[in-house]
This record gives sequence, structure tokens and C-alpha cells, in this order.
Amino acid sequence: DTEVTQTPKHLVMGMTNKKSLKCEQHMGHRAMYWYKQKAKKPPELMFVYSYEKLSINESVPSRFSPECPNSSLLNLHLHALQPEDSALYLCASSPRLVEEQYFGPGTRLTVT
Amino acid sequence: AQSVTQPDIHITVSEGASLELRCNYSYGATPYLFWYVQSPGQGLQLLLKYFSGDTLVQGIKGFEAEFKRSQSSFNLRKPSVHWSDAAEYFCAPLDRGSTLGRLYFGRGTQLTVWP
Repeated sequence: DTEVTQTPKHLVMGMTNKKSLKCEQHMGHRAMYWYKQKAKKPPELMFVYSYEKLSINESVPSRFSPECPNSSLLNLHLHALQPEDSALYLCASSPRLVEEQYFGPGTRLTVT
Repeated sequence: AQSVTQPDIHITVSEGASLELRCNYSYGATPYLFWYVQSPGQGLQLLLKYFSGDTLVQGIKGFEAEFKRSQSSFNLRKPSVHWSDAAEYFCAPLDRGSTLGRLYFGRGTQLTVWP
């Protein structure tokens, strides 16, 4: 089973709201990733976790806060977002770093 | 600097026709190579991967890709396209020497299939 699940599927939030995106995998993978994808563009890497430790933060604004509570779960906490943060947020996992990544279906985020 | 190029932004083929999507990379050493497909509003699905060995790689949904070291290419092919293959296709190299697992995506090729 190569399934990564993401919730919610869609999210609409105001600029003063606080919300969280959730990602889960039960494949025993030890690396997990957050990507942001704008329309008609390739995914852009935001964060990488390896063995529950943050290994890459691609200069993402602090209004995005990742969390990896355990090896199966990855959260992205959102606070005070801007309309330009509206995008498809994709989670991925891989057995370890430098191996193939498996993606979830994404969360479509709209910031109003 | 590392880079990946997908020269074709948009390709249109008729159903049943053959397909080739191009991907060229520029890396210091041969990277791991992946092709992903994305339907509108969906996540990315891994089609196939190349790590080493046989240069012709078979993937899911009838796709295959050929690694050519001399041309720094990893082109995706399908002998007969189905209407359901209409989607965005991304080539993605991964530096095998990396300790960070950073996957770089090409800009993507949008495939339209005519009935």
C-alpha cells in the first residue's frame, strides 16, 4: 500500500485564522515532505523531515509552522496567511531521504 | 548548477497515437530519475523510476522511459495513448549524493488527448 492521506481536502480561511493541515502515512517511511503548488506550476519544496527531525526549511515564512509528532504524522500549522498563500499543499513521504517520494492528494487552500 | 528541462509545455496527441515526452537534466553525476503524473486538482502519482541498471524502465499504466547517459535524457514513452492519460507530467531528478532528499521538478508537460 503506497497511500499518503491528507485532510482536509479543501480549506477556506481568513487572514486572521489559525488552521492546520494533516498528513498521514502507514508505510513505515521515515522521511516526510511538504510542498506548495500554484496553478500551472511544479511543486515547490517547503519542508523536509527525516526521522522526525526537520532537515530542510526552504526559507518559508514563519506563518507556516511544520510539526512531525511521530513517524507517521506530519502537520502544517497555518496562521495569519496572505491571499497569495492560496495554493494546493501536497504532502509526500519516502522510505528514507534520497528515495522515491509518494504524494498525497493535496489540500486545496484558499485564503480570503 | 543542477537543472532539469522539459522542453515541451503542451503536447496534443490523438487517442491511440504514440507519445514521447522529453526530459533533459544537468547534474554533476547521474541522478536518480523519476516521472510523475498529475491529474487536475490531484496529487502526483509516481509513474516510474530509474536508479541504475537496465536503461529501459517499465512503469505503471503502460508507460516506459529510457535513460540515455550520453544525452543526459530520460524520455517518457507510451505506444498507444488513452483519453485517460490527459494530465500534467513532471520529470524529477534526485541527486543521489544528496543528504537532503531535495527533489527538483521540471516545469511540466501538459498532455491533451483528442478522441
